[in-house]
Amino acid sequence: SQTIHQWPATLVQPVGSPLSLECTVEGTSNPNLYWYRQAAGRGLQLLFYSVGIGQISSEVPQNLSASRPQDRQFILSSKKLLLSDSGFYLCAWSVATAYEQYFGPGTRLTVT
Amino acid sequence: TQLLEQSPQFLSIQEGENLTVYCNSSSVFSSLQWYRQEPGEGPVLLVTVVTGGEVKKLKRLTFQFGDARKDSSLHITAAQPGDTGLYLCAGGAGYALNFGKGTSLLVTP
Repeated sequence: SQTIHQWPATLVQPVGSPLSLECTVEGTSNPNLYWYRQAAGRGLQLLFYSVGIGQISSEVPQNLSASRPQDRQFILSSKKLLLSDSGFYLCAWSVATAYEQYFGPGTRLTVT
Repeated sequence: TQLLEQSPQFLSIQEGENLTVYCNSSSVFSSLQWYRQEPGEGPVLLVTVVTGGEVKKLKRLTFQFGDARKDSSLHITAAQPGDTGLYLCAGGAGYALNFGKGTSLLVTP
């Protein structure tokens, strides 16, 4: 069976510090991978998606970036965090595009 | 961007009551998914509907896809406290899914 992991679970970082969130998927090959941000327990905002190694598409221009160094690894980064980067970050995978997605447990990021 | 509007935004009911939440759009979707999310956790996929007019049942939950594939509803019969959570609908758009803002459901004993 497939599983998806995210770490860390929670993170408190000062403004201007760097960020690295990691997501890994097990039990499947060549998944589509996604990063979402969710504010205040409401809707999900798609940040990045990837259909293959090194292939990253950005949905929202901002100070975040994503990378996919391996087939089942997806990383969300920032060089300098802003207060507005606080939120709940979710990684997801799917077999097919625009279809069923399976989410990780999320990372709660607080920028102080 | 294909927008999905969910209603109501918040719903507070007592155990045993029935409820329906809605997901509407002006766009046609090839498929539509429903997820449930509990606080501090990732959304969990409940169901996918594909065919216009399709009805799927998952225990006390009934999901319906509109004939024109623009809207969907989720009906819960005899709600239980364990049904509490954020219910999200999502429709396929390009390479990703568009999510509605969700219906936050609270079921009290």
